[in-house]
Amino acid sequence: ETGVTQSPTHLIKTRGQQVTLRCSSQSGHNTVSWYQQALGQGPQFIFQYYREEENGRGNFPPRFSGLQFPNYSSELNVNALELDDSALYLCASSTYRGTNEKLFFGSGTQLSVL
Amino acid sequence: QQQVKQSPQSLIVQKGGISIINCAYENTAFDYFPWYQQFPGKGPALLIAIRPDVSEKKEGRFTISFNKSAKQFSLHIMDSQPGDSATYFCAASLIQGAQKLVFGQGTRLTINP
Repeated sequence: ETGVTQSPTHLIKTRGQQVTLRCSSQSGHNTVSWYQQALGQGPQFIFQYYREEENGRGNFPPRFSGLQFPNYSSELNVNALELDDSALYLCASSTYRGTNEKLFFGSGTQLSVL
Repeated sequence: QQQVKQSPQSLIVQKGGISIINCAYENTAFDYFPWYQQFPGKGPALLIAIRPDVSEKKEGRFTISFNKSAKQFSLHIMDSQPGDSATYFCAASLIQGAQKLVFGQGTRLTINP
């Protein structure tokens, strides 16, 4: 186990709705990254948060947003859900200015958009 | 220039055989090349990684071979076991910075007993 916990594990939403996914980082890790993994594909970087601020973003529209809290836990919010948003959403924690060698993934939230 | 291309998409190997998965990258600035193993219902877990200053790294039954001039790297699993059946992803990134990993498309490996 990596110590990174995500909730919920599964979620079903309908198109146009909004969703919030949650992540609790591994102890001692102050940076959290979110990835989207579509079925049969590799994970794609969404964004990273450090000190409650966005610190790098991938090629995702603004309706994907996030928050990081003082205890380093994080939320991923997706507005106006589209069918293509159906995917496994992965949270990864690390230390800021640490290396990618210390990146730990949670088990993810499986989001289905109907 | 951010792509990482992985092959094959799926691979079936007999128990005890050698599994080989290949990846190619485009961005010459990348300096960290990890391989991740993912089981159904779990997140990716780091298996082994290499920096471009060495051509090979071995950890137990797992070996990464790296060819900087060809911009290619591969994972070799020796004496493959049924417990190795999983999806494997190569990735590339800058070792420092925003920690944005660029993943390949994945290889579903099945080891037949």
